[in-house]
Amino acid sequence: AQSVTQLDSHVSVSEGTPVLLRCNYSSSYSPSLFWYVQHPNKGLQLLLKYTSAATLVKGINGFEAEFKKSETSFHLTKPSAHMSDAAEYFCVVVRGSQGNLIFGKGTKLSVKP
Amino acid sequence: DSGVTQTPKHLITATGQRVTLRCSPRSGDLSVYWYQQSLDQGLQFLIQYYNGEERAKGNILERFSAQQFPDLHSELNLSSLELGDSALYFCASSAGDTIDNYGYTFGSGTRLTVV
Repeated sequence: AQSVTQLDSHVSVSEGTPVLLRCNYSSSYSPSLFWYVQHPNKGLQLLLKYTSAATLVKGINGFEAEFKKSETSFHLTKPSAHMSDAAEYFCVVVRGSQGNLIFGKGTKLSVKP
Repeated sequence: DSGVTQTPKHLITATGQRVTLRCSPRSGDLSVYWYQQSLDQGLQFLIQYYNGEERAKGNILERFSAQQFPDLHSELNLSSLELGDSALYFCASSAGDTIDNYGYTFGSGTRLTVV
């Protein structure tokens, strides 16, 4: 069965410093993985996706993630945090062929000025 | 605006009542998915409809039901409401019957508060 584990429930960084949000996945076959972002009182927005093409995936707003099969990880990074990045981030795996999503518990990112 | 429209945005109702949440998918999308986001359970898949037919079921309670109409809009019906049903309910849509290359498009959600 597929699952994702977000290793940190809360990450706090200073503006201009790098962001690292960690996600490990479990899947019996090559997974499709996503990162979604949810700003306060807003819906869910797709940041980026991995679907077995390039292992380094670039997304919107300067975010990227690297798929590492040997480590079963799909960590989200950004070189320099901006105040507007403060939000909750969800690592997501697709459940088999059905297409429904399995969400991690979420990581709340705080950005200090 | 994502193109997925959910109404109402907020709903407050009493325990034991029944409510209907509505979702209009993005133009051209045939699949509608319902998700529940609660503090204790996180984001969970409830149910999927594709072109009017139920396609997949997740952790949906028997008190909850959904349907997708010929014009492709969908309704999620929640009955015999309990305090624990208070949550943010999201609808998402995709073109096909599985997730497409762009993931889903999510609506902004309906916040249900049961008092």
